[in-house]
Amino acid sequence: AQSVAQPEDQVNVAEGNPLTVKCTYSVSGNPYLFWYVQYPNRGLQFLLKYITGDNLVKGSYGFEAEFNKSQTSFHLKKPSALVSDSALYFCAVTVGGGGATNKLIFGTGTLLAVQP
Amino acid sequence: GAVVSQHPSWVICKSGTSVKIECRSLDFQATTMFWYRQFPKQSLMLMATSNEGSKATYEQGVEKDKFLINHASLTLSTLTVTSAHPEDSSFYICSARSLTRLRETQYFGPGTRLLVL
Repeated sequence: AQSVAQPEDQVNVAEGNPLTVKCTYSVSGNPYLFWYVQYPNRGLQFLLKYITGDNLVKGSYGFEAEFNKSQTSFHLKKPSALVSDSALYFCAVTVGGGGATNKLIFGTGTLLAVQP
Repeated sequence: GAVVSQHPSWVICKSGTSVKIECRSLDFQATTMFWYRQFPKQSLMLMATSNEGSKATYEQGVEKDKFLINHASLTLSTLTVTSAHPEDSSFYICSARSLTRLRETQYFGPGTRLLVL
């Protein structure tokens, strides 16, 4: 079965410091990996995705993520955190090649808290 | 681009009434739309997948007669919660996906908060 794990319920980081939000996945087939961010009482905003190609993917708001096939990981990173980055982050996976009805499997979410 | 809207953003209703939530893709044609439910401090639970012009596919445990989904056009899907009860109170989020544009990515609406009294 396909699954996504976000091992940390919450990540605390000081403003200006680098941040990492962890994600590992388990799929049969080639994974399509996504990161979304959710602000309170809002829907999800797309940050970035890995489909194929370069393992380092750059996305919105200065975020990036690295696809590591051997470790089945897709950790989200940012070199310098901002207080405004504080939000709930979701990692998601689907398996490619099946068309538009492929379902996204979400992790449980990681709350990022950036202290000023 | 790739904007998805939902209406209403929040709704309060009495137990036993029905509530309709609309999901629209504003600048692309959504051949597939998804409906999710999110409980406080939890992840998204997929309720159903709908393809334009065909019946929705419901996830296991989701009552299709209670959560009616219609995807009559390439830009609009609706979720109707029939005979709502307090346990249906939740945050409902839709997403839309296009076969022709950014096909692998689901774009999400802002969500609808439903409170059933």
